[in-house]
Amino acid sequence: DGGITQSPKYLFRKEGQNVTLSCEQNLNHDAMYWYRQDPGQGLRLIYYSQIVNDFQKGDIAEGYSVSREKKESFPLTVTSAQKNPTAFYLCASSAATGGYEQYFGPGTRLTVT
Amino acid sequence: GQQVMQIPQYQHVQEGEDFTTYCNSSTTLSNIQWYKQRPGGHPVFLIQLVKSGEVKKQKRLTFQFGEAKKNSSLHITATQTTDVGTYFCAGDSPGTYKYIFGTGTRLKVLA
Repeated sequence: DGGITQSPKYLFRKEGQNVTLSCEQNLNHDAMYWYRQDPGQGLRLIYYSQIVNDFQKGDIAEGYSVSREKKESFPLTVTSAQKNPTAFYLCASSAATGGYEQYFGPGTRLTVT
Repeated sequence: GQQVMQIPQYQHVQEGEDFTTYCNSSTTLSNIQWYKQRPGGHPVFLIQLVKSGEVKKQKRLTFQFGEAKKNSSLHITATQTTDVGTYFCAGDSPGTYKYIFGTGTRLKVLA
């Protein structure tokens, strides 16, 4: 059963703590993405990766970090430097970048208090 | 920077009425994608348009790409309650490999 998994579905953290969100895909896709969605808003790109061991900043990368050590995994760390981390985080993958549909995971809803 | 705007932000329709959402980019696009997100769910790919003036249909959904490749529309004929959700367009960002998502149109269908 191919797809993208994100865990956990809900995550609660105290302010000042770093937290890592998991994203795994078994679609053999080269490209992976992290988006942030705030209530009633669109998706904003945090980071994306075209290939293993390579990634680029998106539009709102400040306070976030990623790694891409394996093709199937693209974890996102929300650091304490992110000023407003409470949001819905969506991971996606596509066969390649540029003109390919993106497959989204179920998302992780992060609440920081 | 590049912006992708969608109108309207919200739309309530009676079941059976038609619905249209419009997407406008500040820059010329190579292609545009449309996604649907059900309440509480994640975006699901609907379609991609590539050619200037392209029109594609999926059952009751009709997608258009403008001649200048800066705007697009999604039209749903005779809405059903299963059409409820938020519809997003996503335009590619020239010179990069990322997509800029529109603000979305939230559709409610009243039975």
